[in-house]
Amino acid sequence: TVMTQSPATLSVSPGERVTLSCRASQSVNSKLAWYQQKPGQAPRLLIYAASARATGIPIRFRGSGSGTEFTLTISSLQSEDFAVYFCQQYNYWPRTFGQGAKVEIK
Amino acid sequence: EVQLLESGGGLVQPGGSLRLSCAASGFTFKNYAMAWVRQAPGRGLEWVTAITGSSSGTYYADSVRGRFTISRDNSKNTVYMQMNNLRGDDTAVYYCVKIGPEEIGEYAFEIWGQGTMVTASS
Repeated sequence: TVMTQSPATLSVSPGERVTLSCRASQSVNSKLAWYQQKPGQAPRLLIYAASARATGIPIRFRGSGSGTEFTLTISSLQSEDFAVYFCQQYNYWPRTFGQGAKVEIK
Repeated sequence: EVQLLESGGGLVQPGGSLRLSCAASGFTFKNYAMAWVRQAPGRGLEWVTAITGSSSGTYYADSVRGRFTISRDNSKNTVYMQMNNLRGDDTAVYYCVKIGPEEIGEYAFEIWGQGTMVTASS
């Protein structure tokens, strides 16, 4: 299952709303996760089951979608949110990731 | 606190072998599936392999099937990955991952270790 993220890079200012998209080549139902990775760090789970926030994740992170189209929205970007974001499906083997979307400072 | 600590990475010649270990703590290890995910320098994430809590099921990416073997020792709270016939394109940071939240039927990559670097080069 190919996961395609868009855009690849997004330049935004702190406080702005960010919307990242992820498309699956076939339906993955709601078995979709989002991860955040900062330079030199391991990825961190943000969202699972398409819309459930993982433990400790701020409410400004919201996941939505089902089937083949998914979205991660950050309602008001904070300085600590500049990072790379990956989507991943866990409905099928092999598990597959999107190529990543970098959110950088404008 | 859940912790995953990888070890065993290093420099190996193409065709060589390495065994990675991941020591887990802070949760009932035997109840959770575990996985390895890798990231080549400057690249994205690639799932490599996974194993169920009881070791009844193992899963592999096509790129490593037949060369890598995942196993676990629930008495030691440790998961392993034996890597044989290593190639240059296996060079990556390898992350140990706890799968979950399995208790509610979800199988995302819930908790990640800090990773260990494997370099296959002459």
